[in-house]
Amino acid sequence: IAGITQAPTSQILAAGRRMTLRCTQDMRHNAMYWYRQDLGLGLRLIHYSNTAGTTGKGEVPDGYSVSRANTDDFPLTLASAVPSQTSVYFCASSLWTGYHEQFFGPGTRLTVL
Amino acid sequence: AQTVTQSQPEMSVQEAETVTLSCTYDTSENNYYLFWYKQPPSRQMILVIRQEAYKQQNATENRFSVNFQKAAKSFSLKISDSQLGDTAMYFCAFMLPTGNQFYFGTGTSLTVIP
Repeated sequence: IAGITQAPTSQILAAGRRMTLRCTQDMRHNAMYWYRQDLGLGLRLIHYSNTAGTTGKGEVPDGYSVSRANTDDFPLTLASAVPSQTSVYFCASSLWTGYHEQFFGPGTRLTVL
Repeated sequence: AQTVTQSQPEMSVQEAETVTLSCTYDTSENNYYLFWYKQPPSRQMILVIRQEAYKQQNATENRFSVNFQKAAKSFSLKISDSQLGDTAMYFCAFMLPTGNQFYFGTGTSLTVIP
């Protein structure tokens, strides 16, 4: 692994189903983030984690949950998907929060029908 | 809450020319960070340049420079000698040092014309 990876690349999901988007980084970064990107709205922060074992809510956390059991992994779970969660999801990491560059994964395109 | 506004949804520039993308933001904080990210058609987000609010000097990275006007809450990006590879969506972003608030603008789609 080099950098930050996300899986799956894309997914079509029936409404009401549970879905976990995976994110893994091998840069030993302390901070990780989940964003959603919607046309005309830019990127919006869903959840973040300053360090392993801690998480926090971003701008649009409703309907999503995260965990940070270790430094490398930061999964995002949709407990019961709804069509409004159709979006492109980006995971990112940075050495620390603040001025440090965020490195982004390639994104997951999720469609909820 | 902080907001970031990019008022130019689309722009175009001739190859080798200079273009400026505008960004304004709203905050009551005194210490914060500003960023410009680039998203080419590949969808990969790439950091272009960043600025710390307490630094008066404008940041520069090769052909990319910013005009940071703290009092006006303005953070524009200037691209000199535009290249075809600069064609992308450009996002202005704002972050507080605590890291729990990171706001992106809605983006400016830049096309470099050969």
